[in-house]
Amino acid sequence: DQQVKQNSPSLSVQEGRISILNCDYTNSMFDYFLWYKKYPAEGPTFLISISSIKDKNEDGRFTVFLNKSAKHLSLHIVPSQPGDSAVYFCAASASGSARQLTFGSGTQLTVLP
Amino acid sequence: ETGVTQTPRHLVMGMTNKKSLKCEQHLGHNAMYWYKQSAKKPLELMFVYSLEERVENNSVPSRFSPECPNSSHLFLHLHTLQPEDSALYLCASSQEVGTEAFFGQGTRLTVV
Repeated sequence: DQQVKQNSPSLSVQEGRISILNCDYTNSMFDYFLWYKKYPAEGPTFLISISSIKDKNEDGRFTVFLNKSAKHLSLHIVPSQPGDSAVYFCAASASGSARQLTFGSGTQLTVLP
Repeated sequence: ETGVTQTPRHLVMGMTNKKSLKCEQHLGHNAMYWYKQSAKKPLELMFVYSLEERVENNSVPSRFSPECPNSSHLFLHLHTLQPEDSALYLCASSQEVGTEAFFGQGTRLTVV
């Protein structure tokens, strides 16, 4: 049973518009969430993270929103650029002596010029 | 030079072969990981090492054998693999277990 779910395998957005990538989780013990970006033939690259004590974290064009009651987080990219085209993975972890990252299955974002 | 380096980048091996994947991190991190990525599936955590000690083994078949001789190096020894083991194997490191992980470029493994 997947504890971190990305229900949209793909998303296409026009350049300059907003991209919204969604992620849902089921484990209420998760308290730290991350987004990674992955280009073909490369490993995932860390983008942005958020702790459960916050509901928003912003870094340049990237903003992550966390809705704990809905167990939902989203990544907003604005404005979207063609170079943002990649697979985006959501990941989550829980406090504890063996905190590990649990990944979603990814969403392929395509930004159209 | 990237922070986490994996070799080889591509590997084709027969089911009776023995091979090893190598990972090296230059970031001074204390934790290292092996992940498996199969097509259209989430990244699967295989092994976690913290300060050269294995802290997690997620029910991985014994045909995969990790080795962490020091905090900068991690190996994955492979023997008698199956075709369904073909996947992208990713190494990662982080300052401590559970903090932001930095990934290598992965080894694309094909078992024939």
